[in-house]
Amino acid sequence: NAGVTQTPKFRVLKTGQSMTLLCAQDMNHEYMYWYRQDPGMGLRLIHYSVGEGTTAKGEVPDGYNVSRLKKQNFLLGLESAAPSQTSVYFCASSHREFRQPQHFGDGTRLSIL
Amino acid sequence: DAKTTQPTSMDCAEGRAANLPCNHSTISGNEYVYWYRQIHSQGPQYIIHGLKNNETNEMASLIITEDRKSSTLILPHATLRDTAVYYCIVRGSNFGNEKLTFGTGTRLTIIP
Repeated sequence: NAGVTQTPKFRVLKTGQSMTLLCAQDMNHEYMYWYRQDPGMGLRLIHYSVGEGTTAKGEVPDGYNVSRLKKQNFLLGLESAAPSQTSVYFCASSHREFRQPQHFGDGTRLSIL
Repeated sequence: DAKTTQPTSMDCAEGRAANLPCNHSTISGNEYVYWYRQIHSQGPQYIIHGLKNNETNEMASLIITEDRKSSTLILPHATLRDTAVYYCIVRGSNFGNEKLTFGTGTRLTIIP
């Protein structure tokens, strides 16, 4: 049971390039989330999804887009990367019932030069 | 979501119980207390959560005061692998409370 898998684990981009981060979960969870974590700070929610085909903005959505075409996958896109988006990105998933905990992947370390 | 206050850092001897406090004096009736930890450079790991009763699982125990304004996470027999940042999070159970608000947490160091 892999849980939450993030791809890639590391990436270096130049300013203005685009890329997509992939998150896959095998726990049949309805909800999925994208967070970013900057040095010395807690995680901040970027976007989340409560089901296939549905997404919503979180705390820091600007500069990112997401898609949830399949229940098990949640994609985070950067259309035109900026140095301010250098961060560690974590994906999480959870069951629909709100008391259920979120399960996290091991992160994608992204550097924008 | 209610704000939480945790000590910045703590040390604990290996084999001893680690007691991590958290204040959440503005917690409301439908908000749960969650604990997560983050071991160096890994994703956060869920530990335990509770509403008002004490909870125990294979990883830890959670003690919530009767007025629910504070709680303590107890790792009964700390090992070196328990060295991590521990986050206390208060989260509502209503729709619209999807996000987990991570503060800066408590950096727990287990001393050999």
